[in-house]
Amino acid sequence: AQRVTQPEKLLSVFKGAPVELKCNYSYSGSPELFWYVQYSRQRLQLLLRHISRESIKGFTADLNKGETSFHLKKPFAQEEDSAMYYCALRPGIQGAQKLVFGQGTRLTINP
Amino acid sequence: DTGVSQDPRHKITKRGQNVTFRCDPISEHNRLYWYRQTLGQGPEFLTYFQNEAQLEKSRLLSDRFSAERPKGSFSTLEIQRTEQGDSAMYLCASSKWGWDRGSSGANVLTFGAGSRLTVL
Repeated sequence: AQRVTQPEKLLSVFKGAPVELKCNYSYSGSPELFWYVQYSRQRLQLLLRHISRESIKGFTADLNKGETSFHLKKPFAQEEDSAMYYCALRPGIQGAQKLVFGQGTRLTINP
Repeated sequence: DTGVSQDPRHKITKRGQNVTFRCDPISEHNRLYWYRQTLGQGPEFLTYFQNEAQLEKSRLLSDRFSAERPKGSFSTLEIQRTEQGDSAMYLCASSKWGWDRGSSGANVLTFGAGSRLTVL
């Protein structure tokens, strides 16, 4: 079975400090990994996906198959980064379409 | 097209009543998904459709839950004989299925704002 674990329910950092949101997964095949974000009073939206290899809003995430991790990083946090972040896994790029989500991490950026 | 629309945004009902939620996906999207989210948890997959065909249902989906997408456009999720444990946010998402080329946007889920169910 596929599982996504976000070990931190809450994370608080100061503006300008580096941010790392942890995500670990369990899946025996080659998954596709995503980060979704939900800002206050907004809907869940895609932040980035590992196959795109993009940096979105200064965030990056690298898939580490050896450690089965997909941590989200940003070198300098901004107040507008405060939001709920969800890591999600899709089993195989051409496989099942459903996303399996982690429990989420609430990120608060303090001024 | 204003994205994925869900109706109603909030439904309060008494235990034992039936409720129905509607989702209107992005018009060119052929896949539609239902998720449920309870407080402090991430979204949990319930079911999904490709066009009008329901391709997968979660074991979480009891017999009281039924979803349809009769013409391959909008979808409804009905919960019969509601229980207090059904109280949750019901999220709909849609995507355009295609051979994934990473940056094409294919197979990326776009979510609606959700329908919050409160069962008293």
